This record gives sequence, structure tokens and C-alpha cells, in this order.
Amino acid sequence: DIQMTQSPSSLSASVGDRVTITCRASQRIDSYLNWYQQKPRKAPKLLIYAASSLQSGVPSRFSGSGSGTDFTLTISSLQPEDFATYYCQQSYSTPRTFGQGTKVEIK
Amino acid sequence: EVQLVESGGGLVQPGGSLKLSCAASGFNFSGSAMHWVRQASGKGLEWVGRIRSKANSYATAYAASVKGRFTISRDDSENTAYLQMNSLKTDDTAVYYCTRQVGYCSAGSCYSPFDDWGQGTLVTVSS
Repeated sequence: DIQMTQSPSSLSASVGDRVTITCRASQRIDSYLNWYQQKPRKAPKLLIYAASSLQSGVPSRFSGSGSGTDFTLTISSLQPEDFATYYCQQSYSTPRTFGQGTKVEIK
Repeated sequence: EVQLVESGGGLVQPGGSLKLSCAASGFNFSGSAMHWVRQASGKGLEWVGRIRSKANSYATAYAASVKGRFTISRDDSENTAYLQMNSLKTDDTAVYYCTRQVGYCSAGSCYSPFDDWGQGTLVTVSS
């Protein structure tokens, strides 16, 4: 199974900050990497697929990059509604493993 | 509008069984692979398993943690996916989500993220 490791596990940031979350796969997964946002007591929401493609309706302040084993989710200017937990997920092979999550909290 | 509505969660004793349903609407259900993902309280997301479409032989796959105990099925005439859970353990306590796999193809590669999710149904395994 492919292991997905996110860092950091949590971070504190202020509105307007640039935030970067990293995700590392235990083996090469090309660009088969997705990012999801989850708010408390809500289902996850797809933000980015294919490592860097923005899902329809997602604000352009979200961006993704990377290929192979190392990936990044960037929020260019953090907004109040962005405080949430973010998960990466590989769709290269089954089982479709997720990272452990990164909680973005208000500083 | 795509809708996925899970039902069937509840309290069950260890060793017991429960069957979850996921009613779908607003998209081509019969042509879509459907997945189940669970989340224990305060924990991360765990992929449980999936069922592919008829065109892909209704192929199923499961996480090692549930293989042999859980079974995913679907009824395309009812636009519903199911998760049959047997021999339940306390570690299976979680909110269970069903989710739709979508496909985006570009430059010869096709990517398959989970685009739509249900609201989740809580399964509690406890004596």
C-alpha cells in the first residue's frame, strides 16, 4: 500500500497569510494526487485533483503542485472560511490512501 | 444537483451486523464507481472500499482492515449503493461516508478523485 504523509499535522495562521501544506507519497504516484478540505461535522470537499487542477467552484487562492512523490497545497491568502482540515489522497492505486490531515487553525 | 444520502447507521454490539445504504441522485449512477470512506471521531479519513460499474464487472476492492467482513454492493435500478458490515468491532465505530468517483482525462491520463460526498451516517459498535 502507498503511504501518504502530510506535514505539518497542524498550523496556526492569520487571515491573509500564505499557507503551505506538504504531502509525500511512499512511492511514485505521478500526478495522481488529490486535496480535500473538511470542516467540522461536514463531509470532505474536493479542492484539487491531478496534483494541480482546481476543481470547479474552488477559489483561485488554492493551488497545488508537485509530481512523483512530493506535493504541495498552497493557500495564497488565507480567508476566515479556510480554517479547516486538509487531506491529501493518492488515486494511483488501490487502496486509495489518505494523508493523516493538516489542521489549519486561527492564530 | 448531485445528492448522496446515507442511512442505516446506529448502535450495534461487537460481533453484530449492520447494512448501510447510499441513495444517489442527480448523476449517472449506473456508470459511476462508488466508494465508502470512514472517519472515527477526531481522526482522519480512511478509505473502506469501492464498487465499480457494470461496465467494469461491478469489481470490488476493500481496505485490509475490513476485508472479509464488509461487502459493498449496488442496485442500479434503485440508484443505491450498500455497505454490509459483519463481525463488527469497536474499532469500526466511525462516521461512514459514501462518495462518487469522477473521471477527468487529460493528455492520455485519467484522474479519478472523489467529487461528491454524502452527509455521513454514524456507526457505533459498543456493548
